[in-house]
Amino acid sequence: HVQLQQSGPGLVRSSQTLSLTCAISGDSVSSDSAAWNWIRQSPSRGLEWLGRTYYRSTWHYDYAVSVKSRMTINADTSKNQFSLQLNSVTPEDTAVYYCASGWSLQYWGQGTLVTVSS
Amino acid sequence: DIVMTQSPDSLAVSLGERATINCKPSQSILYSSNNKDSLAWYQQKPGQPPKLLIYWASTRESGVPDRFSGSGSGTDFTLTISSLQAGDVAIYYCQQYQSLPLTFGGGTKVEIK
Repeated sequence: HVQLQQSGPGLVRSSQTLSLTCAISGDSVSSDSAAWNWIRQSPSRGLEWLGRTYYRSTWHYDYAVSVKSRMTINADTSKNQFSLQLNSVTPEDTAVYYCASGWSLQYWGQGTLVTVSS
Repeated sequence: DIVMTQSPDSLAVSLGERATINCKPSQSILYSSNNKDSLAWYQQKPGQPPKLLIYWASTRESGVPDRFSGSGSGTDFTLTISSLQAGDVAIYYCQQYQSLPLTFGGGTKVEIK
């Protein structure tokens, strides 16, 4: 049974970088059958997929067009976790951020409410 | 992007009665490798992340009660709760995973009448 534990600050200032980490237990970030996603949820945007990483002999990264220029996902095999960095945030990036595994998103982190202050 | 249109936005159903939620993708979400539709259904309760109920349009996730069922094909899909229980009060979302970006429906709020 996979568990995902999120960590990171709940308050970020405008123009700064939002950074969150998702620690994995019960699976490996470099599993050749898994995928690791970031999703956010806000009243204005609903559930919005942001990006994912997965390992198939090499690392793959996919990003939503809306955040592609500002977002980076990293996988850390030594800590069995993956992370999200979103640069140049604005109040519109205020949302609950989730990490989740798979293509149909089988396991989810607990969620982190991130507020971007102006 | 594949747009997922859910209906209704909300519905109120008596305990023990049937609840039906619809989801219409803007295009086919058939995964050619296994000839299955790449559609999932989630249940979200306040303060919690979404919980996977159904994948491949009709496969129930382990541990999900059998009163939850998914059906449909092409661009018409349905989530049915055959006998609504008090604990089923939640918002339900459909999601396609056939192509990127993964996209979600707007949600259907289910309440007790």
